[in-house]
Amino acid sequence: AQKVTQAQTEISVVEKEDVTLDCVYETRDTTYYLFWYKQPPSGELVFLIRRNSFDEQNEISGRYSWNFQKSTSSFNFTITASQVVDSAVYFCALINTGTASKLTFGTGTRLQVTL
Amino acid sequence: NAGVTQTPKFQVLKTGQSMTLQCAQDMNHEYMSWYRQDPGMGLRLIHYSVGAGITDQGEVPNGYNVSRSTTEDFPLRLLSAAPSQTSVYFCASSILLQQGYEQYFGPGTRLTVT
Repeated sequence: AQKVTQAQTEISVVEKEDVTLDCVYETRDTTYYLFWYKQPPSGELVFLIRRNSFDEQNEISGRYSWNFQKSTSSFNFTITASQVVDSAVYFCALINTGTASKLTFGTGTRLQVTL
Repeated sequence: NAGVTQTPKFQVLKTGQSMTLQCAQDMNHEYMSWYRQDPGMGLRLIHYSVGAGITDQGEVPNGYNVSRSTTEDFPLRLLSAAPSQTSVYFCASSILLQQGYEQYFGPGTRLTVT
């Protein structure tokens, strides 16, 4: 069975601070994909990134960066210079190859960015 | 492309009533699934389908039925609504591309059972 743990339930930061959201996963499969989604107050799920298990390169997209470490089964997400618009719930998720319909989600981290 | 559409957006049911949440996708994706989102629990898989005519149970299937008679549609039926089924429901479709899985979510249906 697979599992995704987001130990941080809620984080509050002041605008312009950097913030890291943690994600730890468990799976027995050697081939899998990891995702991050953003859920703003409007409720829709917004895809942020996908990473496959063979690609441990870190990725940067504007103010967002992701650190994937297989050795610690972690896929952490950092927002640099946070903004109020970053306030949302962020979900980490895992899918194993061959089970394209079955995402396993973490419980989410609510990020509150204030002025 | 409309992507993944869900109807209705909001619904209030009385305990014991039945209803169907509609989900459709126009991307010709093989895989479709239903999730429910409850506070503090993330999204949990209810049922999923790997193609027309093929469905299977997810993590929390009790009280729900699905069918997949066409590639496009994947309705979720609540047989006898219970207050424990008050939740936000998301339908998703997915496809495996060379670079990995692409998952598309519908906008969600907020269901309240009184």
